[in-house]
Amino acid sequence: AQSVTQPDIHITVSEGASLELRCNYSYGATPYLFWYVQSPGQGLQLLLKYFSGDTLVQGIKGFEAEFKRSQSSFNLRKPSVHWSDAAEYFCAVGGPGAYKYIFGTGTRLKVLA
Amino acid sequence: NAGVTQTPKFRVLKTGQSMTLLCAQDMNHEYMYWYRQDPGMGLRLIHYSVGEGTTAKGEVPDGYNVSRLKKQNFLLGLESAAPSQTSVYFCASSQLAGNEQFFGPGTRLTVL
Repeated sequence: AQSVTQPDIHITVSEGASLELRCNYSYGATPYLFWYVQSPGQGLQLLLKYFSGDTLVQGIKGFEAEFKRSQSSFNLRKPSVHWSDAAEYFCAVGGPGAYKYIFGTGTRLKVLA
Repeated sequence: NAGVTQTPKFRVLKTGQSMTLLCAQDMNHEYMYWYRQDPGMGLRLIHYSVGEGTTAKGEVPDGYNVSRLKKQNFLLGLESAAPSQTSVYFCASSQLAGNEQFFGPGTRLTVL
């Protein structure tokens, strides 16, 4: 079955600390992987995406993610978190020619000053 | 270039009332989607469209209908609203299947 798992519902980090948000997927074909961010009361904004090639992808706002096929993971990282990064983060998987995404249930990030 | 817009932003309905949510995109995208977002459940696909005049069921289609008469618009209808349809509704569009989806700002619907 196709699925996306974000094991951490809530994460709290101090400003300036590093961040890693986990995402594991199950997908029968070549996956296209995405991370979106949702600020309170807003829609979703794309942070980064992976289709093929270099397994370390850079995104906006200083985020990066690494695709590890052997672990079926696509974890999101940031070296130093800013207070404005407090939001909810969603991992999603699709595929070439696939009309639909599968979303994870999200990880809510809280940043302590 | 407004991207994806949704109308209205907020709405309160009584059980049994009907309403239509409007989604419009100005990017000439082929694919459009309606999702609902509920706490702890992420985004669930209601219906989607792969082009003008087409619609298809998603993960949670019951109680909703959709139409895509024009390429730029995707309408979501609730014929007889129920409290279980209280949610935040998001519209999205994409140019290519499987590619990046662009999201609207959402509609917060409360059914009393």
